[in-house]
Amino acid sequence: AQSVTQLDSQVPVFEEAPVELRCNYSSSVSVYLFWYVQYPNQGLQLLLKYLSGSTLVKGINGFEAEFNKSQTSFHLRKPSVHISDTAEYFCAVSVLNQAGTALIFGKGTTLSVSS
Amino acid sequence: AAGVIQSPRHLIKEKRETATLKCYPIPRHDTVYWYQQGPGQDPQFLISFYEKMQSDKGSIPDRFSAQQFSDYHSELNMSSLELGDSALYFCASRYGTSGSSGELFFGEGSRLTVL
Repeated sequence: AQSVTQLDSQVPVFEEAPVELRCNYSSSVSVYLFWYVQYPNQGLQLLLKYLSGSTLVKGINGFEAEFNKSQTSFHLRKPSVHISDTAEYFCAVSVLNQAGTALIFGKGTTLSVSS
Repeated sequence: AAGVIQSPRHLIKEKRETATLKCYPIPRHDTVYWYQQGPGQDPQFLISFYEKMQSDKGSIPDRFSAQQFSDYHSELNMSSLELGDSALYFCASRYGTSGSSGELFFGEGSRLTVL
């Protein structure tokens, strides 16, 4: 079975500082990896996804993530955060090419950006 | 572009009542997922349907049932509601055949409050 571990439940940072949100996954088969963002009282929005190919993937809002198969990690990074990046971030894993198989989410990381 | 539509957006019920949530997937998407997100929690997978058949089952209580109809919309029926059922219920859809990117597109959610 697949599982996702987000190593930090809360990450407080100052505006314009870099940030890394850590995610490790566990799976015995090939997977797709995703990062979703959830703003207060809103739905889940896809930030970026890794399917195959280049291990460095770029997403929306200046975020990027690097897939590291040997370390089974998919950490999310942004070089300079804004106040508006304050939100809940979820890492998720999906089994490759399994119709109907769900995304499994991590517990989430709360990113708090202050001035 | 059309997104996943959920209704109602907000619902208030009393304990032991019944509630029905509806989900209309993105056109041509044949796979629908239901998630439950309690306050401050990560989304928990409940159940999914592919081509109108149940394809995967998560932590859905026996009091809940769901189905996918011929037009691919789905309904989540919840009976004998308990206070702990108060949560945000997300529906997500994707085009589920092999070769799919695996990305789920989420609706804005239906917030159920049980009093």
